[in-house]
Amino acid sequence: DQQVKQNSPSLSVQEGRISILNCDYTNSMFDYFLWYKKYPAEGPTFLISISSIKDKNEDGRFTVFLNKSAKHLSLHIVPSQPGDSAVYFCAASGNSGAGSYQLTFGKGTKLSVIP
Amino acid sequence: EAQVTQNPRYLITVTGKKLTVTCSQNMNHEYMSWYRQDPGLGLRQIYYSMNVEVTDKGDVPEGYKVSRKEKRNFPLILESPSPNQTSLYFCASSFYRDSNEQFFGPGTRLTVL
Repeated sequence: DQQVKQNSPSLSVQEGRISILNCDYTNSMFDYFLWYKKYPAEGPTFLISISSIKDKNEDGRFTVFLNKSAKHLSLHIVPSQPGDSAVYFCAASGNSGAGSYQLTFGKGTKLSVIP
Repeated sequence: EAQVTQNPRYLITVTGKKLTVTCSQNMNHEYMSWYRQDPGLGLRQIYYSMNVEVTDKGDVPEGYKVSRKEKRNFPLILESPSPNQTSLYFCASSFYRDSNEQFFGPGTRLTVL
């Protein structure tokens, strides 16, 4: 059972416009939600996170929104730039029950920003 | 420079030949983890370690072993690799806390023939 879902495998956006990447989760025990960006031939890099007690977190052009009642979060990139073209992974952090924190990842959304 | 390093970056091997992928971090992180990335499946956790001599299984541990004898190193061992272990592997590390912001290595692309 997939606990973190990114239903759009790909997204194309014009440079300068807003990119909206979506993520849904099923486990209400998740404490933190994170977004990672991954370029080809590199490891994922942390982008932005949000605690489950907040509904918005902003960092420059990147904003993450959390709707706990809908178990949905989204990443907004404004304005989108060609260098933002990458695969974006949504991840959720929660106590595994064995005393450890684990990250559960979605399958990723490939964003293409067209110049 | 704070980083997670993995070696080798690329490896082609044959079924049954034991191999080890090394992972090292210089950030004094307690938590280390191994993931594999496969097309259409995203990142799946293989094993993790909360500290020295403390390891546990992730979601897909079959066919893998790990050890954590030192804080900075967390090698991944495939004692008898099989073709279904052909994948892209990532090591990650973080401080042990609920936000769990993990730093990833550059990846190791493994092909098992």
